[in-house]
Amino acid sequence: EAQVTQNPRYLITVTGKKLTVTCSQNMNHEYMSWYRQDPGLGLRQIYYSMNVEVTDKGDVPEGYKVSRKEKRNFPLILESPSPNQTSLYFCASSVAEPYEQYFGPGTRLTVT
Amino acid sequence: GENVEQHPSTLSVQEGDSAVIKCTYSDSASNYFPWYKQELGKRPQLIIDIRSNVGEKKDQRIAVTLNKTAKHFSLHITETQPEDSAVYFCAASGTGGFKTIFGAGTRLFVKA
Repeated sequence: EAQVTQNPRYLITVTGKKLTVTCSQNMNHEYMSWYRQDPGLGLRQIYYSMNVEVTDKGDVPEGYKVSRKEKRNFPLILESPSPNQTSLYFCASSVAEPYEQYFGPGTRLTVT
Repeated sequence: GENVEQHPSTLSVQEGDSAVIKCTYSDSASNYFPWYKQELGKRPQLIIDIRSNVGEKKDQRIAVTLNKTAKHFSLHITETQPEDSAVYFCAASGTGGFKTIFGAGTRLFVKA
């Protein structure tokens, strides 16, 4: 089954404790992206990747890191999480640009 | 920076009526305009998209129109049904990358 998966789905952590949210797709898509969704603000792009080892900043990259060492995986890293990073995070992938994005199920992160 | 404005933020219609959601974008290089539907607790899913070389596209009860001169595009849903109730997001993206800007979303309520 073609899909985008994210782990974990829910995470509660404390300020400053490094965490990684994984994203994987099995559709051989070139493009992958991370978004955060906050009430009233829609989806805001954090980082995107156009291919292995090629990444670029979206609108809200501060406090986040990404890597794309393999085509199928695009982890999101929060080196020192803060409460303002409490949000719902979505990973997405696309066969090419610009085309339909397929979203993962979301990761709800709470930073206390 | 680039942005996409979406209106209204909330829309309530009677079953069978039409619903219209409007978006305005700022980046004249944008050439792909998708619409995503997000049901409660679910991931966003594409419902229709349009490219800059097309003025209108229709898929059953859903249509999208694009006015590149005015940098304006709209989603039209006819004969609305209760299952159309969801949050709808417009977005704009362009060539040369995968940067995507989403609108803030419209919560549509269809009353039976």
